[in-house]
Amino acid sequence: QVQLVQSGAEVKRPGASVKVSCKASGYDFTNYAMHWVRQAPGQRLEWLGWINAASGDPNYSQEFRDRITFTRETSATTAYMEVRGLTSGDTAMYYCTRERWGGRWESWGQGTPVIVS
Amino acid sequence: QTVVTQEPSLTVSPGGTVTLTCASSTGAVTSGHSPNWFQQKPGQAPRALIYNTGNKHSWTPARFSGSLLGDKAALTLSDVQPEDEAEYYCLLYYGPVWVFGGGTKLTVL
Repeated sequence: QVQLVQSGAEVKRPGASVKVSCKASGYDFTNYAMHWVRQAPGQRLEWLGWINAASGDPNYSQEFRDRITFTRETSATTAYMEVRGLTSGDTAMYYCTRERWGGRWESWGQGTPVIVS
Repeated sequence: QTVVTQEPSLTVSPGGTVTLTCASSTGAVTSGHSPNWFQQKPGQAPRALIYNTGNKHSWTPARFSGSLLGDKAALTLSDVQPEDEAEYYCLLYYGPVWVFGGGTKLTVL
């Protein structure tokens, strides 16, 4: 079955970087977009951007484009998100989630908590 | 900056019907916004319920339905069950970006 399994919790100092992975299985990795979404404690979901798993082309939310990088490794069917210059405001649960082309959002990863302190 | 607005909270009785809405600060929501709806329970990842306005996933219970209602996207829950108590988020597409609504906390009481 379709699974998105994310890397484990991270605790980082302000100013540091974090890289979160999202291992996909059970489907053709390159036939979907992979989005990244975060949720600060008690807050709404916030879209960070997406990567075309086939071409590797990313598209970032305007708010984060200077600090976030999306990559993917097709042979490993894994997507990655790196956030640089962390502040306490980046403390959140980070999710990967796939979209079938045409606006059909489907499965979600279990989430990766990132704590900046 | 585009803002997507949902009711902050709604309460419904078991067996009742409730409609959650999703409005766009840019004007009427259309099918071109590819409205998606998600359910999130405490401590869990969101779960997709509806895509492209009114399409259900294979796992979406039949009592959930999506539509356009006036100038908004809408999620209607019929015959509400206690397990439907959750936060519900809509998501709209403003090519090439996506924007989540603020969420609606649905209480079943």
